[in-house]
Amino acid sequence: EVQLLESGGGLVQPGGSLRLSCAASGFTFSNYAINWVRQAPGKGLEWVSAISGGGISTYYADSVKGRFTISRDNSKNTVYLKMNSLRAEDTAVYYCAKDKVPTAIGDAFDIWGQGTMVTVSS
Amino acid sequence: EIVMTQSPATLSVSPGERATLSCRASQSVSSNLAWYQQKLGQAPRLLIYDASIRATGIPARFSGSGSGTEFTLTISSLQSEDFAVYYCQHYNNWPAFGGGTKVEIK
Repeated sequence: EVQLLESGGGLVQPGGSLRLSCAASGFTFSNYAINWVRQAPGKGLEWVSAISGGGISTYYADSVKGRFTISRDNSKNTVYLKMNSLRAEDTAVYYCAKDKVPTAIGDAFDIWGQGTMVTVSS
Repeated sequence: EIVMTQSPATLSVSPGERATLSCRASQSVSSNLAWYQQKLGQAPRLLIYDASIRATGIPARFSGSGSGTEFTLTISSLQSEDFAVYYCQHYNNWPAFGGGTKVEIK
């Protein structure tokens, strides 16, 4: 079964850091770009970041550029999102999601994880 | 930056009726458009990609149309499990989602 499983969320103070993980199974991980999408409480979906299958290319929304870093370890079938200088407005459920088409980046997201909650508060 | 606008924000429909949801892009996204369904407390689920192709396992009552800047998701006969929030997303460049349409029971 194709699956993504996020972990690493929690409560952090403003200005703090957190690293999220997205563990994949059931598909050839290194062939697919992986994205992070977040959803603030009661709000819509916001694309955050993406990384190509080989990890060479990375992309960020303007709202997180310079503060968040996406990376991947294809030997562990895992993508990471390191979040620094966290703000109250970063509070959200963070989902990882897989591109539908292999090798390309910039596609529909066919598989989503269940999400992990990040709360930034003092 | 391409901005996606969905309308209406809320759609009240009776079971068995047809629902038509709209999505507009601020500039052309060709057919690089997807629709997702999200139920409360769950992750989004891909319904439609490339504007009109149903994803695996999606019932035929869901259909997508449009290209360029105007897109439509139609649910031909609403079932109880279809009451949810629906999002459009372009992937022409950096992905962006619309604000969502909540389909509620009338």
